[in-house]
Amino acid sequence: AQTVTQSQPEMSVQEAETVTLSCTYDTSESDYYLFWYKQPPSRQMILVIRQEAYKQQNATENRFSVNFQKAAKSFSLKISDSQLGDAAMYFCAYRSVYNQGGKLIFGQGTELSVKP
Amino acid sequence: GAGVSQSPRYKVAKRGQDVALRCDPISGHVSLFWYQQALGQGPEFLTYFQNEAQLDKSGLPSDRFFAERPEGSVSTLKIQRTQQEDSAVYLCASTGSPTRIRETQYFGPGTRLLVL
Repeated sequence: AQTVTQSQPEMSVQEAETVTLSCTYDTSESDYYLFWYKQPPSRQMILVIRQEAYKQQNATENRFSVNFQKAAKSFSLKISDSQLGDAAMYFCAYRSVYNQGGKLIFGQGTELSVKP
Repeated sequence: GAGVSQSPRYKVAKRGQDVALRCDPISGHVSLFWYQQALGQGPEFLTYFQNEAQLDKSGLPSDRFFAERPEGSVSTLKIQRTQQEDSAVYLCASTGSPTRIRETQYFGPGTRLLVL
């Protein structure tokens, strides 16, 4: 079974600075998807960024980028130019391409606070 | 509708009471997922529907949990004889295609259940 681990329960960053959130996962599958989701206090989970395992190029979405190390099974999220609105819980998630429907397997989350 | 909606947003139940949680997915979305999120944890998969068919219920924690989607749109998660350990946020997510695994899962705001 696949597992996702986020070893940083809390992180803090100064506004306009850069922060990196860590995620590792365990799988025996060769093809899969990885996601970072953001969950603000309102609870609505929002997709931040997605990475296909077969792509070597790291995904980027504006101020958000990932460092995908497939051999190391590592998938970190870098937030550049942090803004107050980035404060939230961040979840790393794994999705198998072989599993019917494609359920998400989440890590425990990292709570990010942004200091003005 | 514009997004996934869930009702009620908050539910307080006495131990032993039955509860029903509703999810309205994005119109036309084929796939629907239920997740359970305990306090301070990442969401955990409960069950998956493709249209009206429940194709995966491997995450349901006990036979007290039952989900249905009779017409392939609205879904109801029912918990019978609630226990204190059922206290959690129940998240619903939908996606348009069951075959395109890269499809984004869109989440609802969740129902916070508190069992006293």
